[in-house]
Amino acid sequence: DVKVTQSSRYLVKRTGEKVFLECVQDMDHENMFWYRQDPGLGLRLIYFSYDVKMKEKGDIPEGYSVSREKKERFSLILESASTNQTSMYLCASSKDVAGADTQYFGPGTRLTVL
Amino acid sequence: QKEVEQNSGPLSVPEGAIASLNCTYSDRGSQSFFWYRQYSGKSPELIMFIYSNGDKEDGRFTAQLNKASQYVSLLIRDSQPSDSATYLCAVLSYSSASKIIFGSGTRLSIRP
Repeated sequence: DVKVTQSSRYLVKRTGEKVFLECVQDMDHENMFWYRQDPGLGLRLIYFSYDVKMKEKGDIPEGYSVSREKKERFSLILESASTNQTSMYLCASSKDVAGADTQYFGPGTRLTVL
Repeated sequence: QKEVEQNSGPLSVPEGAIASLNCTYSDRGSQSFFWYRQYSGKSPELIMFIYSNGDKEDGRFTAQLNKASQYVSLLIRDSQPSDSATYLCAVLSYSSASKIIFGSGTRLSIRP
C-alpha cells in the first residue's frame, strides 16, 4: 500500500527558528514535492525534486530550502521561520516525471510560527 | 488571472442529485487534468484524471474535458453525504516548467 509519511502533524515554532519538515515515501518514487496550503489560495508548490540531490524551485521558494540525500526522503527547511510561514505543509510523491500521474500526499504538517 | 480557476463554493446539492464542479485553466498547452478530493483535515487524494477531449467515466464520477474552451468538469451522480468535501482541480502544464498547478478548490456539501 502506498505510503507517504511526514515527521509531525502539528508543530509550533518561534520567529527566527530553523525548522525542518521531513517526508518519507516507501513507493520508490522518483519525484517528490513540497506544497503549502492556505485558505483561498489552494495548494502552492514550494520545491520539487525529480531525483536524489536534484531540486527545482516551485512557485513560492522564497524563505525555504530543500534537501534530498536519499530517494525516499525529502526535507523542507525554513532557515529562519517567520509568521507568514504559518500554514499547512503537504508533501507528495509520484512515479512519473513532474507528477504526470497520481500524486500521493502525506497527512500534512500544520506549522504555527509565533 | 489565476492559472487554474474554480468557484470556491460552497456548492450545496441534495442527496441523490448530480453535483457539477467546474474548472477553467489559462495555459492552452496543458496536457493532463486531475481531480482530487480533500476531506476536512485530510490530505488530497486523486479520484479522476483525464488527458483527452470528451468524457471519462468511473463509477459515479465523470470527468469532462474541453480543450478548445479550456475547461474541465467533474460530475458526481447520485450524490451521497460522503461526497461532501473540497474538490481540487489540477492541471499539468509543460510550458510551466512541468509543474502541476492546483486550483483553490470547490467546497461541495451534500444535504440529506
